[in-house]
Amino acid sequence: EDQVTQSPEALRLQEGESSSLNCSYTVSGLRGLFWYRQDPGKGPEFLFTLYSAGEEKEKERLKATLTKKESFLHITAPKPEDSATYLCAVRQYLNTGTASKLTFGTGTRLQVTL
Amino acid sequence: EAGVTQFPSHSVIEKGQTVTLRCDPISGHDNLYWYRRVMGKEIKFLLHFVKESKQDESGMPNNRFLAERTGGTYSTLKVQPAELEDSGVYFCASSQEFIAGNNEQFFGPGTRLTVL
Repeated sequence: EDQVTQSPEALRLQEGESSSLNCSYTVSGLRGLFWYRQDPGKGPEFLFTLYSAGEEKEKERLKATLTKKESFLHITAPKPEDSATYLCAVRQYLNTGTASKLTFGTGTRLQVTL
Repeated sequence: EAGVTQFPSHSVIEKGQTVTLRCDPISGHDNLYWYRRVMGKEIKFLLHFVKESKQDESGMPNNRFLAERTGGTYSTLKVQPAELEDSGVYFCASSQEFIAGNNEQFFGPGTRLTVL
């Protein structure tokens, strides 16, 4: 069974203090690792998809990387508006030619203070 | 472009009552998913439609849950009769027809269900 573990559960940073969030996964046949951002009372908002080890993607102050066992979301010089819960999810390969479900971790709650 | 919409945003019902949640996916998205997050737990998969057909029902908790997707457009998720453990936030997501390397799921805002 697919498993996703995120750490830490919660992280408090000062504005400008860079850090990384971790997502460890176990899946037979990875067909995409996804990062989402979720604000209170809202649905997850898509950030990145990574498909193969060594792949990196960037968006503003966020950079996602992928290895064979884990993914990191690096946050460089965060601002208070980066405060949110960051979710990691994996999708398993299916040979049916259709997209499959996502398996989520419990998320990391990030708070960035002035 | 309009995103995924869900109705209602909140629902409070008594144990034993029936509730129907609705999801309107992004126009043109063949894939529609239902997920649920119960208090303190991760978001978990319930069901996947491809157009009007159920592709994967492996996450449906029991036969009190019934999902339909009329004409491959909007979807409804009915819970009958509701139990206390059904409380949580129900999310709907949609994605385009599966093409290798391009199949992001876009989520709606969720329906918060409280069963008293």
